[in-house]
Amino acid sequence: AQKVTQAQTEISVVEKEDVTLDCVYETRDTTYYLFWYKQPPSGELVFLIRRNSFDEQNEISGRYSWNFQKSTSSFNFTITASQVVDSAVYFCALSENTNAGKSTFGDGTTLTVKP
Amino acid sequence: ETGVTQTPRHLVMGMTNKKSLKCEQHLGHNAMYWYKQSAKKPLELMFVYNFKEQTENNSVPSRFSPECPNSSHLFLHLHTLQPEDSALYLCASSQEVGTGGNEQFFGPGTRLTVL
Repeated sequence: AQKVTQAQTEISVVEKEDVTLDCVYETRDTTYYLFWYKQPPSGELVFLIRRNSFDEQNEISGRYSWNFQKSTSSFNFTITASQVVDSAVYFCALSENTNAGKSTFGDGTTLTVKP
Repeated sequence: ETGVTQTPRHLVMGMTNKKSLKCEQHLGHNAMYWYKQSAKKPLELMFVYNFKEQTENNSVPSRFSPECPNSSHLFLHLHTLQPEDSALYLCASSQEVGTGGNEQFFGPGTRLTVL
């Protein structure tokens, strides 16, 4: 069974601080995919990144970076120099190769960035 | 229109009403999804369609009835709902349900209130 845990329910930071959102997953598949999505107050989830289980290379995209570690089953997301526009709910998701149509989402982390 | 659109954006209905939610994707995708998002369970997968065929029904009560006439359109027919069905209903699409590696693109959702 697949499971995603986002232990941080809410995080509040002041603008320009760095913040890391944690994601821990469970799966029995050797081939799987991990995702991060952002849900701003407007409600529409926006895809941020996808990682497959064979690619542990960390990725950086502007102020966003992701740290994938299979040894700890974690796929953490860091925002550097946070901005007010980063305020949103962030979801981590897992999709197994053998259960392709059924993505499991974590409960989400609500990030508030104060000016 | 671009991306994934949903109508109506807001819906208030009584428990004896029948209504339908509509989703349309303009991305050329072949898979479409319905999710329920509520405060208690942030994101619950309800149904998955791949090339118009239903591939997933996540134990959803029969008062929710999906319909997928083609790969671009997805409906959710509602009847005799309960107040606990009040939630944000999100539609999503992806290239297809294949190996699980396809990111999903979400619509803005329909905020449903059942009185």
